[in-house]
Amino acid sequence: EPEVTQTPSHQVTQMGQEVILRCVPISNHLYFYWYRQILGQKVEFLVSFYNNEISEKSEIFDDQFSVERPDGSNFTLKIRSTKLEDSAMYFCASSEDGVSYNEQFFGPGTRLTVL
Amino acid sequence: KNQVEQSPQSLIILEGKNCTLQCNYTVSPFSNLRWYKQDTGRGPVSLTIMTFSENTKSNGRYTATLDADTKQSSLHITASQLSDSASYICVVTDRGDYKLSFGAGTTVTVRA
Repeated sequence: EPEVTQTPSHQVTQMGQEVILRCVPISNHLYFYWYRQILGQKVEFLVSFYNNEISEKSEIFDDQFSVERPDGSNFTLKIRSTKLEDSAMYFCASSEDGVSYNEQFFGPGTRLTVL
Repeated sequence: KNQVEQSPQSLIILEGKNCTLQCNYTVSPFSNLRWYKQDTGRGPVSLTIMTFSENTKSNGRYTATLDADTKQSSLHITASQLSDSASYICVVTDRGDYKLSFGAGTTVTVRA
């Protein structure tokens, strides 16, 4: 069964460093998303991406964040200068299209630890 | 502001017993409500989805109900198994912007 994959599973970085989290969405899906979940808190929407551009973003997704689909398979989230409060699980998701009924399939997540 | 509230925050049940989780939401306009299961350290996996016109949906031992008038949903787990130990998250989709609003989840622990 097709699934969303994410790498790495755990990333440890120093404050101020850049990190890139990688995702491979399900191959026939057109919409891609990033979410984060700070330990013990709710899953929060960061950004949605369609047709090589951002379609929606939340207040969390400030200038320190960027997303890219560098090739036909990968979808990346870059944090330019990490802060301690960026420590969280980051989930990538994809869906066939953007209509509300379509299920978003989530990847296993990348645990980011900023020291 | 769209909100999704879940209760209880956590519960412990014995293997074989039933339990019911609650979800109240204020998301408007409403499109659909999903219950997700999230195992520790993993991404959420969809269990059920219900639209405005549906008031019950089953997936094996999981049965979800929806009262769109009172904006409440429940997830009933029947004959619990050890593998049911997880966080169960209620997620409501806004029909206007398709954004998902997540509840904080209920952590279920099934003990032998």
